[in-house]
Amino acid sequence: TQLLEQSPQFLSIQEGENLTVYCNSSSVFSSLQWYRQEPGEGPVLLVTVVTGGEVKKLKRLTFQFGDARKDSSLHITAAQPGDTGLYLCAGEPNTGNQFYFGTGTSLTVIP
Amino acid sequence: NAGVTQTPKFQVLKTGQSMTLQCAQDMNHNSMYWYRQDPGMGLRLIYYSASEGTTDKGEVPNGYNVSRLNKREFSLRLESAAPSQTSVYFCASTLNKPLTDTQYFGPGTRLTVL
Repeated sequence: TQLLEQSPQFLSIQEGENLTVYCNSSSVFSSLQWYRQEPGEGPVLLVTVVTGGEVKKLKRLTFQFGDARKDSSLHITAAQPGDTGLYLCAGEPNTGNQFYFGTGTSLTVIP
Repeated sequence: NAGVTQTPKFQVLKTGQSMTLQCAQDMNHNSMYWYRQDPGMGLRLIYYSASEGTTDKGEVPNGYNVSRLNKREFSLRLESAAPSQTSVYFCASTLNKPLTDTQYFGPGTRLTVL
């Protein structure tokens, strides 16, 4: 059982569509991060959310941290082919001294 | 700056063979990490080193050993490789706060154990 479950696991959409990716846990996290990984490369950090209920925007990407700090979502508006990649949530639970990545969402945006 | 570098990029081993994966960073970061990535499971932390001279177990340490050789280098050793260790291995580093600071990743080592 993974501490951070992401859904959906795979997503294929047309350019211009909107989408939301979810990251859920039964544990409370001090903060959550979102990374994007392209094939053959390591993950790259997109954003860190720290406060329950926090919303952060990065151009067409909107990140939200749940009020109870157990879940997070990533919403992409008007997806573009350049958004294609593996999206990973990650964080340290309040129990401390461990770090977990989510199961990942593989996004393909078709031109 | 090269960032985080890993060698080798690819490796094929037979069951029972040993090998060491090398990682180096030139960003003067204090903390370094080793992960493995398997399909459908994201990345899982194997070991990390919060500072030079210290190492701690992550989520999946069994079958691995690590050495923080100096501030720049952090190696991962498989003493007796098993097919279950077939994976892509990533090294990462952070500047200050272990784990929750921005992690900078290397390009990965793809390991196959036959």
